[in-house]
Amino acid sequence: KQEVTQIPAALSVPEGENLVLNCSFTDSAIYNLQWFRQDPGKGLTSLLLIQSSQREQTSGRLNASLDKSSGRSTLYIAASQPGDSATYLCAVRRAGNMLTFGGGTRLMVKP
Amino acid sequence: DAEITQSPRHKITETGRQVTLACHQTWNHNNMFWYRQDLGHGLRLIHYSYGVHDTNKGEVSDGYSVSRSNTEDLPLTLESAASSQTSVYFCASSEPSGTFYEQYFGPGTRLTVT
Repeated sequence: KQEVTQIPAALSVPEGENLVLNCSFTDSAIYNLQWFRQDPGKGLTSLLLIQSSQREQTSGRLNASLDKSSGRSTLYIAASQPGDSATYLCAVRRAGNMLTFGGGTRLMVKP
Repeated sequence: DAEITQSPRHKITETGRQVTLACHQTWNHNNMFWYRQDLGHGLRLIHYSYGVHDTNKGEVSDGYSVSRSNTEDLPLTLESAASSQTSVYFCASSEPSGTFYEQYFGPGTRLTVT
């Protein structure tokens, strides 16, 4: 059974710092990995999707990497801003088009 | 613009009552999913559908049912609500295109069972 773990569960940083969020998964037989952002009381917004054959994806200040063989992904946020405060979730797609989610990392960026 | 909507956004109900949560998408996606989100568990899959008249159980399907009579809607029914079903419920849809695959999520329904 696929299990997805995100560390740390919560993170507080001052504005301007570069930071890394971690995601690990137990079964490397995945189709892709997706990073989401969730604001309080809101739905999920897709940030980046990495195919299993890819090593990384970039969007603006966000960079996501994938090491399928070791079962790890990282989300790098450059020059963090208070507006980046949210919960970040990673999810892996397995057979049957289903996603398995991690528990999320709650990020607080202080001005 | 295409979107996915859920209603109601908030619901309070009593133990034992039947409750139906609506999900409507205008993406014309074949795949639709229901998840619940609880503290410490992330999102867990309840039921999913790959098309009209197709429904499948996810990892936490006990006490829930779905039906798919058209492409746009996948209502989730709690047959006899229990306090353990207090949660935030998210609906999602997707349409695989080659190897690219992305799920789009609704805004969620917060359900409280008293």
